[in-house]
Amino acid sequence: DAMVIQNPRYQVTQFGKPVTLSCSQTLNHNVMYWYQQKSSQAPKLLFHYYDKDFNNEADTPDNFQSRRPNTSFCFLDIRSPGLGDAAMYLCATENRDGNEKLFFGSGTQLSVL
Amino acid sequence: AQSVTQPDIHITVSEGASLELRCNYSYGATPYLFWYVQSPGQGLQLLLKYFSGDTLVQGIKGFEAEFKRSQSSFNLRKPSVHWSDAAEYFCAVRTGTASKLTFGTGTRLQVTL
Repeated sequence: DAMVIQNPRYQVTQFGKPVTLSCSQTLNHNVMYWYQQKSSQAPKLLFHYYDKDFNNEADTPDNFQSRRPNTSFCFLDIRSPGLGDAAMYLCATENRDGNEKLFFGSGTQLSVL
Repeated sequence: AQSVTQPDIHITVSEGASLELRCNYSYGATPYLFWYVQSPGQGLQLLLKYFSGDTLVQGIKGFEAEFKRSQSSFNLRKPSVHWSDAAEYFCAVRTGTASKLTFGTGTRLQVTL
């Protein structure tokens, strides 16, 4: 009964070739997050949506974009992946009702060749 | 801005032994505090959280954590570790509803049989 689903599980792309990662949720949560986690490092927040409001972290590169066409889906677009963008990308959701609990997907491991 | 420090990068314990993972935070007031666990190649799962009230918090899988304001700490403990507890453990903090979740750098737990 996966609640936050990320596809694909593994993604391989070429240097400079645009790639899209997807996240879907069955929880009807109003907030969706994208985190980047490099090997042996802490997850780093890239941006999040609160309903349709997009909130970008100040240090997120312009190369990263996101779309949330509806409550259930959120996409991470990397316009021109570089070798340094190889990482695990984690999607998380939250219902901002004071519960403060984030639900994470299993992640997409991105490799850049 | 808030920050989280996990002093121990890697800890090894024997199965059945007790465990304590350290976490210190930096913030002017009492933040919301969390411990997450991440198995290899997986997303993050919430173990427990502290918002207010009783400073000893019980979580899933037999884990507990104690908030100590005087030490700005929120250490995670388990009286008897199982081999399945081997994973990466992240302490995290947020300063309130709608603030971002900031993770520590993680502690990798290895369990020997």
